[in-house]
Amino acid sequence: SAVISQKPSRDICQRGTSLTIQCQVDSQVTMMFWYRQQPGQSLTLIATANQGSEATYESGFVIDKFPISRPNLTFSTLTVSNMSPEDSSIYLCSVTQGAGGYTFGSGTRLTVV
Amino acid sequence: GENVEQHPSTLSVQEGDSAVIKCTYSDSASNYFPWYKQELGKGPQLIIDIRSNVGEKKDQRIAVTLNKTAKHFSLHITETQPEDSAVYFCAASETGGFKTIFGAGTRLFVKA
Repeated sequence: SAVISQKPSRDICQRGTSLTIQCQVDSQVTMMFWYRQQPGQSLTLIATANQGSEATYESGFVIDKFPISRPNLTFSTLTVSNMSPEDSSIYLCSVTQGAGGYTFGSGTRLTVV
Repeated sequence: GENVEQHPSTLSVQEGDSAVIKCTYSDSASNYFPWYKQELGKGPQLIIDIRSNVGEKKDQRIAVTLNKTAKHFSLHITETQPEDSAVYFCAASETGGFKTIFGAGTRLFVKA
């Protein structure tokens, strides 16, 4: 299965600032997925990113808050904009495995102070 | 909307004992049921999955069962070891997995 490198692994940010998370996959993939995992909670899909088109956002998530780039078939970024303490979470990128299921990156642990 | 319920939220067992985690799902169209293990500081890792045309699947010490009529599926870990301690998530989706619903997670503690 694919190997995903995600960075930064963690960050502490001031409220009102933005953070861009990078996700690099070792093989070409059509779709990449961005998830949020709030402290002690399950995984919630933020958006699906296809190369060459705008990302598709899930209910409750908007492009102005979570802009996504997908410049090629191996790379994507998620930006968390105008951050507040409520944005403190783990952010994960993922891709589908050929036989089913997801491969996840190691996550970005974001703390907003 | 679609929902996956997972129980228990926390499970503590003695090393060598078995652990069982149960999930129910609501979407009748779901036909793919993966389980993920998330260790501290890492992303979730797929450990086993089952499709709706199979009732049970086993891989060494872990097994998954599916009752499609009752919309139940379970993870069974036998001969637990301290390294099994982690958070386990069940999930349900249709083939392709583009709309996957995750359970709330079970924190498993295996005491040595």
